[in-house]
Amino acid sequence: QQQVKQSPQSLIVQKGGIPIINCAYENTAFDYFPWYQQFPGKGPALLIAIRPDVSEKKEGRFTISFNKSAKQFSLHIMDSQPGDSATYFCAASGSEETSGSRLTFGEGTQLTVNP
Amino acid sequence: DSGVTQTPKHLITATGQRVTLRCSPRSGDLSVYWYQQSLDQGLQFLIQYYNGEERAKGNILERFSAQQFPDLHSELNLSSLELGDSALYFCASTPQAQGGYEQYFGPGTRLTVT
Repeated sequence: QQQVKQSPQSLIVQKGGIPIINCAYENTAFDYFPWYQQFPGKGPALLIAIRPDVSEKKEGRFTISFNKSAKQFSLHIMDSQPGDSATYFCAASGSEETSGSRLTFGEGTQLTVNP
Repeated sequence: DSGVTQTPKHLITATGQRVTLRCSPRSGDLSVYWYQQSLDQGLQFLIQYYNGEERAKGNILERFSAQQFPDLHSELNLSSLELGDSALYFCASTPQAQGGYEQYFGPGTRLTVT
């Protein structure tokens, strides 16, 4: 029940395209869903996060869509740029004592944005 | 720059040895998390400390241990190292003990066991 499934494993888009990365979770105690961006040799960097009381959150070119009934959430990157080429991880955690505060990560999506 | 620091950046050691990884959380953060990133297991939670006390444990091997000191820095000790322990080790910090808050990651320590 702790898994977070992420797809696709890799994604190639042209500059200006809108890559979409999807995640699904099982644990209904999860109530915090962040996305991280990781460049080679660097630590994961928090991009944007959402809680289940909203269905969409936008920060700059990054948008999270959240579907609580389907237990799915996705990241959209608008007007993608070659500098967005990185590995993206979705994650989930719970705020209650019983579900724990650790982040459970998806498997990661390697995004390549071609010029 | 997340404000979380980790040392050393790289570590190369032999099987059977013991190493210590160090993490300093962001100023004011009381909670430290350790994660392991490997090619086959992805990013996995190891252990969490809050204000000096162990708060939660994940898939941490018995050969691994951690502690958080009064100045809030944390150390992850890995002993009897095996080839499979080669990975990136990250720490992250948050102000609170419970989940649902932003975790900021350090740059990581790359451990290579030969």
